[in-house]
Amino acid sequence: EAGVAQSPRYKIIEKRQSVAFWCNPISGHATLYWYQQILGQGPKLLIQFQNNGVVDDSQLPKDRFSAERLKGVDSTLKIQPAKLEDSAVYLCASSSYRRGTPPDTQYFGPGTRLTVL
Amino acid sequence: EDKVVQSPLSLVVHEGDTVTLNCSYEVTNFRSLLWYKQEKKAPTFLFMLTSSGIEKKSGRLSSILDKKELFSILNITATQTGDSAVYLCALSGSARQLTFGSGTQLTVLP
Repeated sequence: EAGVAQSPRYKIIEKRQSVAFWCNPISGHATLYWYQQILGQGPKLLIQFQNNGVVDDSQLPKDRFSAERLKGVDSTLKIQPAKLEDSAVYLCASSSYRRGTPPDTQYFGPGTRLTVL
Repeated sequence: EDKVVQSPLSLVVHEGDTVTLNCSYEVTNFRSLLWYKQEKKAPTFLFMLTSSGIEKKSGRLSSILDKKELFSILNITATQTGDSAVYLCALSGSARQLTFGSGTQLTVLP
């Protein structure tokens, strides 16, 4: 089966500009996650969707970050306006409980590396 | 906030060596503990541990969870250069959200 797709792979912007990332999860996966991974750190959850509803967005900086999953499939994450400290890799992951697979397993996309100058 | 601490932060070994990576946590309730391998791309799943004292094994990799002492270890025997990566430990919460540690950077020299 195809993996989690993300685009773009790389993005360079100046501070105060806006940027958007796109994620298409594995087909049939109801749960979608966005993580921020700053260099030298582990991924940090930003937001979790179950179908098109938000399960957890407690760590999303809502003054500048927004995310949506309107049809319960693909998702976009937006930053407006960007700050220098937003430079990171943004990872999208998806999961779905299926017999024979560990229920907590998340499958990650290749990520988008954002550089804010 | 749940806290996951991994040690060492980095490790350099030679091919054939055996390594032990540590993951300790401070948490009141979690569903499972997971290990991921991250090369220069997305994390890939290694193990999920839910029960204390039961070893999971896959080839040269093995892992075990100790819920009493609040830690897990990941062992890699007969290391190869292809094992070079960041190894991430994560706790799965009530809604299956993951809280990651900062990872251990493993470098295996030929």
